[in-house]
Order: sequence, then structure tokens, then C-alpha cells
Amino acid sequence: QVQLVQSGAEVKKPGASVKVSCKASGYTFTDYHIHWVRQAPGQGLEWMGVINPSVDSTTSAQKFQGRLTMTRDTSTSTVYMDLSSLSSDDTALYYCARLKAPADYWGQGTLVTVSS
Amino acid sequence: EIVLTQSPGTLCLSPGERATLSCRASQGVSTMYLAWYQHRPGQAPRLLIYGASNRATGIPDRFSGSGSGTDFTLTISRLEPEDFAVYYCQVYGISPYTFGQGTKLEI
Repeated sequence: QVQLVQSGAEVKKPGASVKVSCKASGYTFTDYHIHWVRQAPGQGLEWMGVINPSVDSTTSAQKFQGRLTMTRDTSTSTVYMDLSSLSSDDTALYYCARLKAPADYWGQGTLVTVSS
Repeated sequence: EIVLTQSPGTLCLSPGERATLSCRASQGVSTMYLAWYQHRPGQAPRLLIYGASNRATGIPDRFSGSGSGTDFTLTISRLEPEDFAVYYCQVYGISPYTFGQGTKLEI
């Protein structure tokens, strides 16, 4: 079965970077794009960006350009999301997701807390 | 960038009633690229509708989507207790894959 398993919770100081991993299994890793979506406390869903693991191309929402780096390791079927220059506004639950209709698959979420 | 505006912000209904949720786009959206998600507290979001009107895998037929151009609707014909959640529309296929701000469906 398709599974996306994310790395554990992180606590970071303002100005630092965080790297969240998302390990895929149960399907051919390079066949599907992986998206990153976050939800800050009390807020809605926010799409951050997408990586095509087949050709290692990425697209980020304009808000995150210059701060968001998405990479992949095909040998371990893992996608990474690196967000730099963190502020308290980046405190959120971060999800990786395979969003390809008619079925979607999501990781369990990784809580990133930014606090001094 | 397409902006999606959902209404109402909160919808208060009872089990068994019909829910109608709206999503308006700032510019025309191909029906191929409009989706609806359900998000329950403590769970990952779940795809309900794609292509504006197609139910995703395993979604009950009480959920239906309609619309075209700039106006889209999610209808839940008879609310079940587990349907009380937050619902988001999303445009996809071309970046950015913007979400609407959500409609909270509560009892």
C-alpha cells in the first residue's frame, strides 16, 4: 500500500533552517510528484511547492521562493523539504502529499515550532 | 495567481440536512483543475472531488461537485456526523496550487 512517512517534530530558533523528510513506499517513486502543504495554528491549508522526483524539477509558491528547497533521493525514495530563515510565522504542521486524482496520499505531518 | 474565495466561512447545520459550499475563483478555472478536500481535526486532509465533479476513490455519493468558470459548489446531500469538518477548494494542474481559505461545517 502507498505510504508517506515523515520525519519527527522539530523545534528551531528564528533565523534557522529546518529539513523535513518524506519517505515514500508502495509505488514507483519517480511516477508521481510530491507536494508540500502546511497548516499554521488556527489557519487554513497553504500549498508550498511540488517536486517531480523523476527529473528533479521543483516549483514553489511565490511566497516561499528563495527560502524553500525541495530535493529527492531516488535511492531511498525520499523527498526533502528545506525551509530557511525561519520565523514564528513558520510554526506549522507540514505535510507531504501525493496529489494525483482519483486518489491522494498524505504523510502524517511534521510539526515545526519556531521559538526563541 | 488565481485567488479562491470560499463562502460561507462557517456553516451551521444538523445531521440529515443538506450542505452547500461555494468556491469562487478570481479568474476562470478549467473544470479539469478544481478539487475539494475535507479536513478533520487531527487527520490529514482527504481529497473528495477532482475535476470539479468527479468523486475521488472511496468517497460516498452524498458528496457531489458542480460548477464551471469561476463558480464552483460542493454539495453534501444528507449530512452524517463525520462530515462536520473544514472543507477547502483547490486549483491544481498549474502552479500555484492555491487553496481557498476554507469553510467550517459545524453542528
